[in-house]
Amino acid sequence: GENVEQHPSTLSVQEGDSAVIKCTYSDSASNYFPWYKQELGKRPQLIIDIRSNVGEKKDQRIAVTLNKTAKHFSLHITETQPEDSAVYFCAAPGRGSQGNLIFGKGTKLSVKP
Amino acid sequence: DGGITQSPKYLFRKEGQNVTLSCEQNLNHDAMYWYRQDPGQGLRLIYYSQIVNDFQKGDIAEGYSVSREKKESFPLTVTSAQKNPTAFYLCASSIVGGPSYNEQFFGPGTRLTVL
Repeated sequence: GENVEQHPSTLSVQEGDSAVIKCTYSDSASNYFPWYKQELGKRPQLIIDIRSNVGEKKDQRIAVTLNKTAKHFSLHITETQPEDSAVYFCAAPGRGSQGNLIFGKGTKLSVKP
Repeated sequence: DGGITQSPKYLFRKEGQNVTLSCEQNLNHDAMYWYRQDPGQGLRLIYYSQIVNDFQKGDIAEGYSVSREKKESFPLTVTSAQKNPTAFYLCASSIVGGPSYNEQFFGPGTRLTVL
């Protein structure tokens, strides 16, 4: 089955710097890779996702890149702001029926003003 | 933050007791999911359901049971067989159809503590 590894587990950056979080997956057939953001005490929310037919997707300060050969995908946040502080989770398709996901263990991002 | 709700927000249980967590959605989503969240462990899938009256075990189903009698509801029962039930439980839902995978919308969660 699928296995998702996420690094780093914690990341601290200065406001305005960039942050990069990387995930690797094991199943070469996987074709969907979402990123969720969970602020303290709140529910996870999708911030960006990418399907395997593209190598990069951008949405304002957030981008995701996918390297299918190496089986890894990364979240890039530019010009970080204090409100970017949260736990970020990557995910990849799980076993069985369509729809279920396997999540990474999360990265706690702290943006220092 | 409407759409998918969970109750209660906090739940305390004595050892040896079963307890049921509620999850309701009014998004007309076919698929629903239950996750367990522990510190440093991410989200681990307990059970999921793609359609009414059908559900599948996730990665950590032992000690849990579910039902899906209505499209809107997917209750989770934590049984006394679950060895370490203290955790934060998240319910989610998504549409089925179109792309193979779609955004999952999460509820606010239930924090279960076993005393």
